[in-house]
Amino acid sequence: EAQVTQNPRYLITVTGKKLTVTCSQNMNHEYMSWYRQDPGLGLRQIYYSMNVEVTDKGDVPEGYKVSRKEKRNFPLILESPSPNQTSLYFCASSLSLRGTDTQYFGPGTRLTVL
Amino acid sequence: GQNIDQPTEMTATEGAIVQINCTYQTSGFNGLFWYQQHAGEAPTFLSYNVLDGLEEKGRFSSFLSRSKGYSYLLLKELQMKDSASYLCALFYGSSNTGKLIFGQGTTLQVKP
Repeated sequence: EAQVTQNPRYLITVTGKKLTVTCSQNMNHEYMSWYRQDPGLGLRQIYYSMNVEVTDKGDVPEGYKVSRKEKRNFPLILESPSPNQTSLYFCASSLSLRGTDTQYFGPGTRLTVL
Repeated sequence: GQNIDQPTEMTATEGAIVQINCTYQTSGFNGLFWYQQHAGEAPTFLSYNVLDGLEEKGRFSSFLSRSKGYSYLLLKELQMKDSASYLCALFYGSSNTGKLIFGQGTTLQVKP
């Protein structure tokens, strides 16, 4: 089954404790992206990747890192989480950058930073 | 910024037609997406408009006018399961960029 998976689905952590949210897709997609969703602010893009070893900043990259060492995986790293990073995070992938290629979203990761 | 505006909430009756608008103050984007998102779930793709005009997909249609700076999503024969948030997003893509800018979304409630 074609899908985008994220882990963990729910996480409660404390300020400053490094964490990684994993994202994996099994569709051989080149393009992957991370978003956060907050009430009243909608979905905002954090980072995206056009292919292995090629990443770029979205609208809200501060406080986040990403890596793309393999085509299928695109982890989101919070080196020193802060309470303002409490949010619902979505990973997404699509075949290419052509807008006509449907972007598939993962199920989301709800992160709480205390 | 791109200043993408959508109404926050809308209410409509089952079986009716509803139009959800999306206005923006920008140019140079490749196309405009519409996504549906049920509460607690991930967004799912509805439509993508590149050229001006209407794209029809079953009960859902999407319209884009670049010169007027707006798009709308038209939902016909509303069903209770259409109660969800509807997100419009501008896509900026090239050989080395892939940005997607979302509006805040419109929460649609369908009543019996």
